[in-house]
Amino acid sequence: EIVLTQSPATLSLSPGERATLSCRASQSVSSYLAWYQQKPGQAPRLLIYDASNRATGIPARFSGSGSGTDFTLTISSLEPEDFAVYYCQQRSNWSYSFGQGTKLEIK
Amino acid sequence: EVQLVESGGVVVQPGGSLRLSCAASGFTFDDYAMHWVRQAPGKGLEWVSLISWDGGSTYYADSVKGRFTISRDNSKNSLYLQMNSLRAEDTALYYCAKDAAVAGYDWFDPWGQGTLVTVSS
Repeated sequence: EIVLTQSPATLSLSPGERATLSCRASQSVSSYLAWYQQKPGQAPRLLIYDASNRATGIPARFSGSGSGTDFTLTISSLEPEDFAVYYCQQRSNWSYSFGQGTKLEIK
Repeated sequence: EVQLVESGGVVVQPGGSLRLSCAASGFTFDDYAMHWVRQAPGKGLEWVSLISWDGGSTYYADSVKGRFTISRDNSKNSLYLQMNSLRAEDTALYYCAKDAAVAGYDWFDPWGQGTLVTVSS
């Protein structure tokens, strides 16, 4: 089973700042990595797929990078609605796993 | 607009059984694989199961293999999860999610709002 480890667990920033979230895989997942955003009381929403592609309707301030075992989600300038929990996810051979999540909170 | 509406979540005793349903609309249901994902209260996301667009292939997380069965009825645009031998650790909000790829396996987009299963005596 591929284990995804996200860091930090909590990130405290102010609106307008840049956020950098990390996800590390226990073995290579190539570019088969996605990022989801989950706000309280809501279902997760797909943000980034295949490591660096924005999903439909996702603002350009969200970007993803990386391949192999190390991945990054960057939010260039935080908006108030971006404060949420972010999960990375990998898919391999009909098995899927999520990281434990990074909570992005207002400082 | 794609809509996924889960139902069937209740309080059930350990060892009991339950069937969850997910009603889909707004897309050609039999073109897409479908998933179940769960989230224990205050915890992260855990993939549970996947079924192919035609129902011919199914996959499970090790934690539910042998106890849960995923199925679909394409004539009714519906997805199901039969849950047997339930344990306290199965307590979670269960989401159904549409696969993003036509006739393939890809990412989860979108998700329903979930149905809550509580396993407790």
